[in-house]
Amino acid sequence: DGGITQSPKYLFRKEGQNVTLSCEQNLNHDAMYWYRQDPGQGLRLIYYSQIVNDFQKGDIAEGYSVSREKKESFPLTVTSAQKNPTAFYLCASSGGSETDTQYFGPGTRLTVL
Amino acid sequence: RKEVEQDPGPFNVPEGATVAFNCTYSNSASQSFFWYRQDCRKEPKLLMSVYSSGNEDGRFTAQLNRASQYISLLIRDSKLSDSATYLCVVNIAGSARQLTFGSGTQLTVLP
Repeated sequence: DGGITQSPKYLFRKEGQNVTLSCEQNLNHDAMYWYRQDPGQGLRLIYYSQIVNDFQKGDIAEGYSVSREKKESFPLTVTSAQKNPTAFYLCASSGGSETDTQYFGPGTRLTVL
Repeated sequence: RKEVEQDPGPFNVPEGATVAFNCTYSNSASQSFFWYRQDCRKEPKLLMSVYSSGNEDGRFTAQLNRASQYISLLIRDSKLSDSATYLCVVNIAGSARQLTFGSGTQLTVLP
Protein backbone atom coordinates (compact mmCIF):
# COMPACT_ATOMS: atom_id res chain seq x y z
CA ASP A 1 0.00 0.00 0.00
CA GLY A 2 1.27 3.46 -0.86
CA GLY A 3 1.10 6.10 1.81
CA ILE A 4 2.65 7.97 4.67
CA THR A 5 3.39 6.40 8.01
CA GLN A 6 4.19 8.10 11.27
CA SER A 7 5.40 6.56 14.48
CA PRO A 8 4.73 6.37 17.28
CA LYS A 9 1.04 7.20 17.40
CA TYR A 10 1.30 8.40 21.00
CA LEU A 11 4.45 9.65 22.70
CA PHE A 12 5.07 10.77 26.24
CA ARG A 13 8.11 12.77 27.17
CA LYS A 14 9.53 14.18 30.33
CA GLU A 15 10.52 17.82 30.36
CA GLY A 16 14.10 18.32 29.24
CA GLN A 17 14.18 15.31 26.93
CA ASN A 18 14.61 15.35 23.18
CA VAL A 19 12.32 13.07 21.17
CA THR A 20 12.30 12.11 17.49
CA LEU A 21 9.13 11.56 15.50
CA SER A 22 9.34 9.31 12.47
CA CYS A 23 7.77 10.02 9.07
CA GLU A 24 8.15 7.70 6.08
CA GLN A 25 6.48 7.83 2.66
CA ASN A 26 6.52 5.44 -0.29
CA LEU A 27 4.69 7.74 -2.68
CA ASN A 28 7.94 8.83 -4.34
CA HIS A 29 7.10 12.40 -3.41
CA ASP A 30 9.86 14.99 -3.50
CA ALA A 31 8.44 17.35 -0.88
CA MET A 32 7.74 16.62 2.77
CA TYR A 33 6.35 18.77 5.54
CA TRP A 34 5.91 18.84 9.31
CA TYR A 35 2.97 20.60 10.92
CA ARG A 36 1.84 21.11 14.44
CA GLN A 37 -1.84 21.31 15.42
CA ASP A 38 -3.10 22.56 18.77
CA PRO A 39 -6.72 22.15 19.94
CA GLY A 40 -9.11 24.40 18.05
CA GLN A 41 -6.37 25.74 15.83
CA GLY A 42 -5.26 25.26 12.28
CA LEU A 43 -2.08 23.55 11.14
CA ARG A 44 1.14 25.51 11.57
CA LEU A 45 4.18 24.69 9.46
CA ILE A 46 7.32 23.70 11.36
CA TYR A 47 9.77 22.62 8.62
CA TYR A 48 9.58 21.57 5.01
CA SER A 49 11.86 19.92 2.51
CA GLN A 50 11.58 20.16 -1.26
CA ILE A 51 14.44 17.77 -2.06
CA VAL A 52 16.82 15.40 -0.35
CA ASN A 53 19.53 17.03 1.78
CA ASP A 54 17.71 20.35 1.81
CA PHE A 55 15.09 21.78 4.17
CA GLN A 56 13.73 25.17 5.24
CA LYS A 57 12.21 26.58 8.40
CA GLY A 58 8.49 27.13 8.53
CA ASP A 59 6.58 29.54 10.73
CA ILE A 60 7.36 27.90 14.08
CA ALA A 61 10.74 26.16 13.70
CA GLU A 62 12.22 27.22 17.03
CA GLY A 63 12.87 24.22 19.28
CA TYR A 64 12.64 21.72 16.42
CA SER A 65 15.15 20.12 14.04
CA VAL A 66 14.84 17.89 10.97
CA SER A 67 16.95 15.94 8.53
CA ARG A 68 16.31 14.71 5.00
CA GLU A 69 18.97 12.16 4.19
CA LYS A 70 16.62 9.97 2.16
CA LYS A 71 13.74 10.87 -0.13
CA GLU A 72 11.30 8.68 1.77
CA SER A 73 12.17 9.83 5.31
CA PHE A 74 11.81 13.15 7.13
CA PRO A 75 12.23 12.73 10.91
CA LEU A 76 11.42 15.56 13.30
CA THR A 77 13.24 16.06 16.59
CA VAL A 78 11.46 18.00 19.31
CA THR A 79 14.21 19.41 21.49
CA SER A 80 14.14 20.54 25.10
CA ALA A 81 14.27 24.12 23.77
CA GLN A 82 10.66 23.82 22.59
CA LYS A 83 8.74 25.43 25.46
CA ASN A 84 5.29 24.02 24.79
CA PRO A 85 5.72 20.80 22.82
CA THR A 86 2.46 19.05 23.74
CA ALA A 87 0.52 18.91 20.45
CA PHE A 88 -0.60 16.77 17.52
CA TYR A 89 2.21 16.49 14.95
CA LEU A 90 1.35 15.80 11.31
CA CYS A 91 3.69 14.88 8.50
CA ALA A 92 2.69 15.41 4.88
CA SER A 93 4.15 14.90 1.44
CA SER A 94 3.45 16.14 -2.03
CA GLY A 95 4.74 15.69 -5.55
CA GLY A 96 6.52 19.05 -5.26
CA SER A 97 4.89 21.16 -7.96
CA GLU A 98 2.99 24.16 -6.69
CA THR A 99 -0.45 22.83 -7.37
CA ASP A 100 0.07 19.39 -5.91
CA THR A 101 -2.10 18.29 -3.05
CA GLN A 102 -0.50 17.35 0.24
CA TYR A 103 -1.23 13.95 1.73
CA PHE A 104 -0.98 13.42 5.45
CA GLY A 105 0.21 10.67 7.72
CA PRO A 106 -1.93 9.60 10.71
CA GLY A 107 -0.08 11.88 13.11
CA THR A 108 1.79 11.57 16.40
CA ARG A 109 0.24 12.89 19.58
CA LEU A 110 3.03 14.13 21.87
CA THR A 111 2.43 14.79 25.54
CA VAL A 112 5.03 16.29 27.84
CA LEU A 113 4.66 15.14 31.42
CA ARG B 1 -5.56 39.53 9.76
CA LYS B 2 -5.25 35.76 9.29
CA GLU B 3 -4.26 34.58 5.82
CA VAL B 4 -7.20 32.17 5.70
CA GLU B 5 -10.29 32.80 7.82
CA GLN B 6 -13.20 30.51 8.51
CA ASP B 7 -16.25 30.63 10.76
CA PRO B 8 -15.30 28.09 13.47
CA GLY B 9 -18.90 27.06 14.09
CA PRO B 10 -20.00 24.70 15.42
CA PHE B 11 -22.70 24.06 12.87
CA ASN B 12 -25.30 21.60 14.18
CA VAL B 13 -27.72 20.50 11.47
CA PRO B 14 -30.29 17.70 11.12
CA GLU B 15 -29.77 14.84 8.71
CA GLY B 16 -30.85 15.77 5.22
CA ALA B 17 -30.17 19.49 5.68
CA THR B 18 -28.12 21.65 3.36
CA VAL B 19 -25.23 23.49 4.97
CA ALA B 20 -22.75 26.00 3.58
CA PHE B 21 -19.31 26.99 4.83
CA ASN B 22 -17.45 30.12 3.86
CA CYS B 23 -13.80 31.00 3.80
CA THR B 24 -11.90 34.18 2.95
CA TYR B 25 -8.24 34.52 2.07
CA SER B 26 -6.05 37.58 2.23
CA ASN B 27 -3.41 37.02 -0.45
CA SER B 28 -4.66 37.93 -3.91
CA ALA B 29 -1.78 35.94 -5.43
CA SER B 30 -3.32 32.69 -4.18
CA GLN B 31 -3.62 30.21 -7.01
CA SER B 32 -4.97 26.91 -5.75
CA PHE B 33 -7.73 26.20 -3.31
CA PHE B 34 -8.85 23.08 -1.49
CA TRP B 35 -11.25 21.80 1.10
CA TYR B 36 -9.92 19.18 3.48
CA ARG B 37 -11.92 17.17 5.96
CA GLN B 38 -10.56 16.28 9.39
CA ASP B 39 -12.25 13.80 11.69
CA CYS B 40 -11.73 14.05 15.43
CA ARG B 41 -8.13 13.16 16.38
CA LYS B 42 -7.32 12.11 12.80
CA GLU B 43 -5.28 13.54 9.97
CA PRO B 44 -6.76 15.94 7.38
CA LYS B 45 -7.86 14.32 4.13
CA LEU B 46 -8.50 16.02 0.83
CA LEU B 47 -12.22 16.47 0.20
CA MET B 48 -12.01 18.39 -3.06
CA SER B 49 -10.08 20.96 -5.00
CA VAL B 50 -11.83 24.23 -5.83
CA TYR B 51 -11.75 25.42 -9.41
CA SER B 52 -12.48 28.88 -10.77
CA SER B 53 -15.64 27.76 -12.54
CA GLY B 54 -16.91 25.95 -9.46
CA ASN B 55 -17.09 22.20 -9.18
CA GLU B 56 -19.27 19.49 -7.78
CA ASP B 57 -18.56 16.04 -6.38
CA GLY B 58 -21.73 14.22 -5.48
CA ARG B 59 -23.41 16.09 -2.64
CA PHE B 60 -20.53 18.56 -2.34
CA THR B 61 -20.21 21.79 -4.32
CA ALA B 62 -17.28 24.16 -4.08
CA GLN B 63 -17.16 27.70 -5.45
CA LEU B 64 -14.49 30.34 -5.78
CA ASN B 65 -14.90 34.10 -6.08
CA ARG B 66 -11.48 35.57 -6.85
CA ALA B 67 -12.72 39.16 -6.88
CA SER B 68 -13.98 38.85 -3.31
CA GLN B 69 -11.26 36.35 -2.29
CA TYR B 70 -13.92 34.01 -1.04
CA ILE B 71 -14.37 30.22 -1.17
CA SER B 72 -17.45 28.24 -0.25
CA LEU B 73 -18.42 24.63 0.32
CA LEU B 74 -22.03 23.47 0.10
CA ILE B 75 -23.11 20.09 1.44
CA ARG B 76 -26.53 18.84 0.36
CA ASP B 77 -28.55 16.06 1.99
CA SER B 78 -26.24 15.91 5.03
CA LYS B 79 -25.37 12.49 6.41
CA LEU B 80 -24.31 11.58 9.93
CA SER B 81 -20.94 10.60 8.43
CA ASP B 82 -20.39 14.19 7.26
CA SER B 83 -19.75 15.22 10.87
CA ALA B 84 -16.18 16.51 10.90
CA THR B 85 -14.11 19.68 10.78
CA TYR B 86 -13.76 21.21 7.33
CA LEU B 87 -10.50 23.01 6.58
CA CYS B 88 -10.18 25.69 3.93
CA VAL B 89 -6.72 25.52 2.35
CA VAL B 90 -4.95 27.93 0.02
CA ASN B 91 -1.81 27.65 -2.11
CA ILE B 92 0.09 30.84 -2.84
CA ALA B 93 1.80 30.94 -6.20
CA GLY B 94 5.57 30.97 -5.92
CA SER B 95 5.48 29.85 -2.32
CA ALA B 96 7.57 26.75 -1.79
CA ARG B 97 5.72 26.17 1.46
CA GLN B 98 2.62 25.65 -0.64
CA LEU B 99 -0.37 25.39 1.64
CA THR B 100 -1.91 27.69 4.25
CA PHE B 101 -4.66 26.18 6.39
CA GLY B 102 -7.67 27.80 7.95
CA SER B 103 -8.58 26.85 11.52
CA GLY B 104 -11.55 24.83 10.35
CA THR B 105 -15.34 24.81 10.65
CA GLN B 106 -16.85 22.13 12.84
CA LEU B 107 -19.97 20.35 11.55
CA THR B 108 -22.19 17.99 13.51
CA VAL B 109 -25.04 16.28 11.69
CA LEU B 110 -27.75 15.22 14.10
CA PRO B 111 -30.08 12.21 13.68
